[in-house]
Amino acid sequence: SQTIHQWPATLVQPVGSPLSLECTVEGTSNPNLYWYRQAAGRGLQLLFYSVGIGQISSEVPQNLSASRPQDRQFILSSKKLLLSDSGFYLCAWSAGLAGLDTQYFGPGTRLTVL
Amino acid sequence: AQSVTQLGSHVSVSEGALVLLRCNYSSSVPPYLFWYVQYPNQGLQLLLKYTTGATLVKGINGFEAEFKKSETSFHLTKPSAHMSDAAEYFCAVSDRAGGTSYGKLTFGQGTILTVHP
Repeated sequence: SQTIHQWPATLVQPVGSPLSLECTVEGTSNPNLYWYRQAAGRGLQLLFYSVGIGQISSEVPQNLSASRPQDRQFILSSKKLLLSDSGFYLCAWSAGLAGLDTQYFGPGTRLTVL
Repeated sequence: AQSVTQLGSHVSVSEGALVLLRCNYSSSVPPYLFWYVQYPNQGLQLLLKYTTGATLVKGINGFEAEFKKSETSFHLTKPSAHMSDAAEYFCAVSDRAGGTSYGKLTFGQGTILTVHP
C-alpha cells in the first residue's frame, strides 16, 4: 500500500532563516505531488505541484520554492523565512491523470516563524 | 475558474443528531467532488468522492453526500452524529481530466463540526 511521509512534524524557525521540508511517497511510481499551506482560518492553499522529476509548477508568488530531485521526493524550501510563512504545510500525492484520482495527504508539518 | 463555498464555518450538533454540512461549487465543466476530514494537527483524510454515475455517494464512517447538478451542491450528511465525528471538514472540486489540469483541487474554507453530549 502507499504511504506518504513528511518531516519534520513541527518546526520553529526565526525570521530570515532558511527552510527545508521534505515529503516522500512509498508504494507508487510517478505520482503527481502537491504542496499546500493551511493558515489559521484560511483553508488550504495550493502552493506547488509536480507531475515528474524536475517539473514544478507554482500556483502563487511567494518566497518559497519547491524541488523534486527524485520520483517520490518533494521538497519545499525558502532562503529567508517571513512571519507570514507560518502555517501547517501539507504534502499530497495522486496517481494518474488530472482530476481522475484522489489526492492523499501526509501528516503535515507545523511551521512557526518567530 | 472553480470555486467552493461551504456555508457555516462552525456547525454544532448533539450526539445522535443529524449532521448536515453544506457545500456549493462553481465549475465550468462537470466536476469531480470530494469531502475530506481533518482531525487536529493531522493531514486530510478522504471521506468520499463523486466522479460519475450514482449521485448519492456513500463514504467512510457513515457519511454520505448527494451531487445535485441543478443546485450545484454536494452536501455532506450523517444520520446520527458521534463524538468521534468532531473535526474539520473540507469540500473540494477538481476539473475533469484534460489539458494541463493536473489533479488540482480547489478547497472550501472548511467547516468545524462540534458534537456535544
